[in-house]
Amino acid sequence: DTAVSQTPKYLVTQMGNDKSIKCEQNLGHDTMYWYKQDSKKFLKIMFSYNNKELIINETVPNRFSPKSPDKAHLNLHINSLELGDSAVYFCASSQERGQPYRGDYGYTFGSGTRLTVV
Amino acid sequence: LAKTTQPISMDSYEGQEVNITCSHNNIATNDYITWYQQFPSQGPRFIIQGYKTKVTNEVASLFIPADRKSSTLSLPRVSLSDTAVYYCLVAAYNQGGKLIFGQGTELSVKP
Repeated sequence: DTAVSQTPKYLVTQMGNDKSIKCEQNLGHDTMYWYKQDSKKFLKIMFSYNNKELIINETVPNRFSPKSPDKAHLNLHINSLELGDSAVYFCASSQERGQPYRGDYGYTFGSGTRLTVV
Repeated sequence: LAKTTQPISMDSYEGQEVNITCSHNNIATNDYITWYQQFPSQGPRFIIQGYKTKVTNEVASLFIPADRKSSTLSLPRVSLSDTAVYYCLVAAYNQGGKLIFGQGTELSVKP
């Protein structure tokens, strides 16, 4: 069983289109995240949800809208795609948020969705 | 927020011990030091974490000096399958679980 699964794995689309990436975790974790990894391998957090509540919203264009129907799912919808949105998007989940001395929280990443905008 | 600095790339040969050092001069009292490994086409994977002194698990060892301004990840007897990017993180536990990744060290293990 895959702990954190994302679909699709690859996504090629034209500029201006709207697309969604789905993420599901079967670890029973309370918190889920979206990270973006650009061509230079920098990984940066975009959003975080805890029990369906948005708790982290970094400086991300409004064209990106996360949706969490339940604590096991966190989807990412992107409107009006631009060339600069091309990247690998990783979903992740963890047991708890903000707990000091907790260790790695059981942080688990999915295998990524490679988005190419042409 | 503590910033980390580590070498961009390193080369090694199979069977050698590899040490990757990370600087984190502004580490806070409550921060832990965490290392992640990322293989091509995969998400990062937790490998080890420590607060001070030395930590060892089945994958690696982590050495942290008393001032905690740096840390060294040690991989014993690397194999080709250890070729990956290694990220040093200072876990921002007061940031809602957000992980702040630096540029990472691309380790290439050759036969």
